[in-house]
Amino acid sequence: QVQLVQSGAEVKKPGASVKVSCRASGYIFTDFDVHWVRQVPGQGLEWMGLINPSGGSTRYSEKLQDRVTMTRDTSSSTVYVDLSSLRSEDTAVYYCARVGGEWEPYFDYWGQGTLLTVSS
Amino acid sequence: DIQMTQSPSSLSASVGDRVTITCRTSQNINTYLNWYQQKPGKAPNLLIYAASSLQSGVPSRFSGSGSETEFTLTISSLHPEDFATFYCQQTYIAPYTFGLGTKLEIK
Repeated sequence: QVQLVQSGAEVKKPGASVKVSCRASGYIFTDFDVHWVRQVPGQGLEWMGLINPSGGSTRYSEKLQDRVTMTRDTSSSTVYVDLSSLRSEDTAVYYCARVGGEWEPYFDYWGQGTLLTVSS
Repeated sequence: DIQMTQSPSSLSASVGDRVTITCRTSQNINTYLNWYQQKPGKAPNLLIYAASSLQSGVPSRFSGSGSETEFTLTISSLHPEDFATFYCQQTYIAPYTFGLGTKLEIK
């Protein structure tokens, strides 16, 4: 069965960087884009960007594009999101999600979420 | 960016009720509209994609309709496990924006 398993919770200080992983299984890794979405506790969902695991191409939200990098390792079927220059507003749960639907995309499988806490 | 206006922001209803949630977009997105349900501490779960297609495994009491700029999610008869927060999402163009959510609570 399709699974996306994310790395564990992180606590970072302001100004630091964090790298969260998302390991895929149960499907051909390079056949489906993966997106990242974050959610501040008690608030809504914010789209961060996407990576195409086949060629590695990426697209980021304008809000985060100066601080976010998405990469992948095809040998381990893992995608990563790296967020730098952390600030308290980055405290959130970070989700990876697989995109289904060739013509009208939708997020059909999600990781379990990784809580990032940014605090001095 | 495409703006998503979801209403109501919260809703109280009883088991067995019929419930409708609306999502309006700031521009025409054809039917590039998805609905998700999220329960506390869990990742969102896809209910409806492409405005009206029921995701595999989702109960048939959930349905979606609409096109262009106005969309609805309907639950025909609420079950106890349906109480959660619901989000619409457009995937017409990046950034793939979400609505602010509708929290469905038990009356």
